[in-house]
Amino acid sequence: AQKVTQAQTEISVVEKEDVTLDCVYETRDTTYYLFWYKQPPSGELVFLIRRNSFDEQNEISGRYSWNFQKSTSSFNFTITASQVVDSAVYFCALSEAGSNDYKLSFGAGTTVTVRA
Amino acid sequence: DAGITQSPRYKITETGRQVTLMCHQTWSHSYMFWYRQDLGHGLRLIYYSAAADITDKGEVPDGYVVSRSKTENFPLTLESATRSQTSVYFCASSDLGLKETQYFGPGTRLLVL
Repeated sequence: AQKVTQAQTEISVVEKEDVTLDCVYETRDTTYYLFWYKQPPSGELVFLIRRNSFDEQNEISGRYSWNFQKSTSSFNFTITASQVVDSAVYFCALSEAGSNDYKLSFGAGTTVTVRA
Repeated sequence: DAGITQSPRYKITETGRQVTLMCHQTWSHSYMFWYRQDLGHGLRLIYYSAAADITDKGEVPDGYVVSRSKTENFPLTLESATRSQTSVYFCASSDLGLKETQYFGPGTRLLVL
């Protein structure tokens, strides 16, 4: 079963618009970690944020913000005032503390295209 | 600070050949991982290593071999490459204390003809 679902395959916005990426996860562990990674056209995977299951405080980093809601098993990501450089594939990922391999279970990714 | 590097960045090989993808990290991270990224499958774990001389299988290990004689290196070998192993391969590492946060290398694009 898919542990991380990113229902939005592609999102296209015009520069300066806000964009929200949805991530829904599934786990039976009480301790787990959620991540967002960015994969720009150059191909590398860039770590953006890590959130543990005991910390539901939302976080803001510049134009990026994250909304973690355990009640709905969601960890959504918002880019405010998007820029062309934000064009990338964004992956949500889950690591379960009960797992021996610390495997990251990735969602399928959401491709964000920001048009000038 | 070089971080985590992979070589080669691009590789073309033929079916049946042995190929080794290199991964080197300068952080002295305990954990290292190999993933492959394919359209329709996202990223899948091939092998991981908790420390030097300790390796274990991930989700899709068949056709691959790993070793880890030194903490900083984690090579991935395709013993007899097949077309289905055409993919982008990512190496990642994580620190023991922050073992849940994995940092990725730039990737190796492998084409098996």
